[in-house]
Amino acid sequence: EIVLTQSPGTLSLSPGERATLSCRASQSVSSTYLAWYQQKPGQAPRLLIYGASSRATGVPDRFSGSGSGTDFTLTISRLEPEDFALYYCQQYGSSPKTFGQGTKVEI
Amino acid sequence: QVQLVESGGGLVKPGGSLRLSCAASGFTFSDYYMSWIRQAPGKGLEWISYISTSGTTIYYADSVKGRFTISRDNAKNLLYLQMNSLRVEDTAVYYCARDSGSFSYWGQGTLVTVSS
Repeated sequence: EIVLTQSPGTLSLSPGERATLSCRASQSVSSTYLAWYQQKPGQAPRLLIYGASSRATGVPDRFSGSGSGTDFTLTISRLEPEDFALYYCQQYGSSPKTFGQGTKVEI
Repeated sequence: QVQLVESGGGLVKPGGSLRLSCAASGFTFSDYYMSWIRQAPGKGLEWISYISTSGTTIYYADSVKGRFTISRDNAKNLLYLQMNSLRVEDTAVYYCARDSGSFSYWGQGTLVTVSS
């Protein structure tokens, strides 16, 4: 099983700042099968990024993903008030599919 | 538009059973793998099972293997999760999701509480 470790656990930033979230895998994620999700309280997760760097439909271009192998990054270029939420990475290169423990982006 | 609606959650005693349903609409259900993912209160996400388009390929996480059964009815656009021998640690919101490797669409979730 691939274990995903996200850092930091909490990121305290202000609107307009840049957020950089990290996701490290315990072994290489094949074919960059890495996704990122955003979750707000009381809501289901929302897919932001798949294939490590492809934005899902309707996702603003301030969200970008990068990385390969064992190290992946989600960058939010300029935080908007609605971006303060929990973010999870997920690998789907091998079964079982696994999620990171999450990074909270707070004001 | 794609819609996934879960139902069937509730309060059940340890050792009991529950069957969750997920009604799909807005896409060709039979063309997609489907998954169940759960989230314990205040915790992260745990993928627990997927089923292929025809139902011939199924995978379970170790935490539910032998206790949970996933199935689908493509004629009715329904996904199911039969949960037996429920434990306190199975308490969670259960989501169904359209599975393209990543999970592009999610339902709103249904809460399962296992408590005596």
